[in-house]
Amino acid sequence: GENVEQHPSTLSVQEGDSAVIKCTYSDSASNYFPWYKQELGKGPQLIIDIRSNVGEKKDQRIAVTLNKTAKHFSLHITETQPEDSAVYFCAASMMQGAQKLVFGQGTRLTINP
Amino acid sequence: DAGVIQSPRHEVTEMGQEVTLRCKPISGHDYLFWYRQTMMRGLELLIYFNNNVPIDDSGMPEDRFSAKMPNASFSTLKIQPSEPRDSAVYFCASRTSDYNEQFFGPGTRLTVL
Repeated sequence: GENVEQHPSTLSVQEGDSAVIKCTYSDSASNYFPWYKQELGKGPQLIIDIRSNVGEKKDQRIAVTLNKTAKHFSLHITETQPEDSAVYFCAASMMQGAQKLVFGQGTRLTINP
Repeated sequence: DAGVIQSPRHEVTEMGQEVTLRCKPISGHDYLFWYRQTMMRGLELLIYFNNNVPIDDSGMPEDRFSAKMPNASFSTLKIQPSEPRDSAVYFCASRTSDYNEQFFGPGTRLTVL
């Protein structure tokens, strides 16, 4: 089955700097890669996703890149703000059907003022 | 819509007791997922339903765990008997076939003493 590895497990950056979180996946059949943000005491919330037919996707300060050949994808957050502090999870699945998400272990991002 | 609703938000019980967690998905969503989150294992999919029918329960850890969805507005996850290693945060999520995003509830934090 699918296995998703996520790095780093913790990341601390200065406000205004960029943050990058990386994930690798094992199943070449996976073609849908969402990123979720989880704030303290809340459930995960989708922030951006990418499909395998796209190499990069941007939404304001957030971007995701995908390298299908290498089976890795990354989340980039620019101009970080204190409200970006949270735990971020990558996931992988098939687009078709239910989309059984397999999650990475999570990255705790701390933005230092 | 109020989003995915879970109850209770916190549950403390003693080993051997029966525990029932409840979920109300977003109206109109035809997929419902139960996840468990622990420090050791991260976010794991336990079971999912499509149109109230259990499709894949391969993530259910043991026969002590069972889930039902008697109608489109309600699902339960039951643990009987509960054990200390079941202590975790349990999330319910739902989505519609028309869109990719899974919407997570706030979770139930279960502590088994």
